[in-house]
Amino acid sequence: DAKTTQPTSMDCAEGRAANLPCNHSTISGNEYVYWYRQIHSQGPQYIIHGLKNNETNEMASLIITEDRKSSTLILPHATLRDTAVYYCIVRLPLSNDYKLSFGAGTTVTVRA
Amino acid sequence: DAGVIQSPRHEVTEMGQEVTLRCKPISGHDYLFWYRQTMMRGLELLIYFNNNVPIDDSGMPEDRFSAKMPNASFSTLKIQPSEPRDSAVYFCASSRPGLAGGPSTDTQYFGPGTRLTVL
Repeated sequence: DAKTTQPTSMDCAEGRAANLPCNHSTISGNEYVYWYRQIHSQGPQYIIHGLKNNETNEMASLIITEDRKSSTLILPHATLRDTAVYYCIVRLPLSNDYKLSFGAGTTVTVRA
Repeated sequence: DAGVIQSPRHEVTEMGQEVTLRCKPISGHDYLFWYRQTMMRGLELLIYFNNNVPIDDSGMPEDRFSAKMPNASFSTLKIQPSEPRDSAVYFCASSRPGLAGGPSTDTQYFGPGTRLTVL
């Protein structure tokens, strides 16, 4: 799997959009970008994934650059419950390797 | 569905004792994963099963660790003998990759974890 680079931490104001960047300059053509988050004392939780098109679901939006070397996870209206560590992972889907390689992630703190 | 169920949620034991962690995956999921999380090493995969068969155990730290999946609804991770450096949060996760392929069904669903403390 390609490696990713994320900022160590970031703060966000409650009610504002939170934009979480991720660099994955060595991503291969058929690797997907996945985002998971881990709220304190809980297991990781899937958020969203994408290949090349922008994606949106009830939790977040994922913007992937045209060259696919970076992406941004957007939490449109951050709440205090969104305080968590956010992990950006790139991997082949449904390959023989089902490992999720979690890096250090970005610690997001949403402040009232 | 109740999600992935793990027990116990907390375990405190003394060095040298045997520890058994339990996991019930989401019904219908045919992949099961065991992860360990520590401050120093982060979240790391220990072993995973497909249809109850161990596929990759390269992350198991040493012979003191063993994992079994006797049926589709139950798995155990055993540490014997336990050591203080085994103290960590152990997560179980399950998934059900789609028959037709596609990453949308490749999502892994995690349990709440078992916090193990070895004194």
